[in-house]
Amino acid sequence: AQSVSQHNHHVILSEAASLELGCNYSYGGTVNLFWYVQYPGQHLQLLLKYFSGDPLVKGIKGFEAEFIKSKFSFNLRKPSVQWSDTAEYFCAVNPFGNAGKSTFGDGTTLTVKP
Amino acid sequence: GAGVSQTPSNKVTEKGKYVELRCDPISGHTALYWYRQSLGQGPEFLIYFQGTGAADDSGLPNDRFFAVRPEGSVSTLKIQRTERGDSAVYLCASSEGTPGADTQYFGPGTRLTVL
Repeated sequence: AQSVSQHNHHVILSEAASLELGCNYSYGGTVNLFWYVQYPGQHLQLLLKYFSGDPLVKGIKGFEAEFIKSKFSFNLRKPSVQWSDTAEYFCAVNPFGNAGKSTFGDGTTLTVKP
Repeated sequence: GAGVSQTPSNKVTEKGKYVELRCDPISGHTALYWYRQSLGQGPEFLIYFQGTGAADDSGLPNDRFFAVRPEGSVSTLKIQRTERGDSAVYLCASSEGTPGADTQYFGPGTRLTVL
């Protein structure tokens, strides 16, 4: 069975600092990869996704993620965070051919200090 | 347009009771997913539907859990003989077409508390 590890449980940054959240997965085959975000009091929503092609994908609000197949990683990055980026971030993997069965990591809570 | 809605938003029940949780997906979305999220953890897959049929129910923890989607729209997650360990937020999501490929849109969740 696949699993997803998010190594940082809680990250605290000041505004304008750069962000990188780690995500590693265990699965030997082709995967679809996702980052979701949950802002305080709001629903989970998709930040970005990778299916194929360019391993560097760009999402909403200036976020990007890089798929490194050899490292089984899909780290999320943002060059300069804002206070409004305070949220919980979840990485998820969906093995190609296993349709709707997504496996999520346990999330990273990001707090951005103004 | 309207997003995914879930009712009730909160449900408190006693151990051993039966509960039903409802999910209204976005109109026209053919795929529907149920997840369970315990405190401090990510969503855990339970089941997903493509149309009326359960395409993958491998995440249901045991036979006390059952879900239906009789008309390919609204879905109900049913839990029999509830246990304290069932306490969690139950999330529903829907997507337009191809499960796993299309964006999943999540509802606000139902917080279930079993006393």
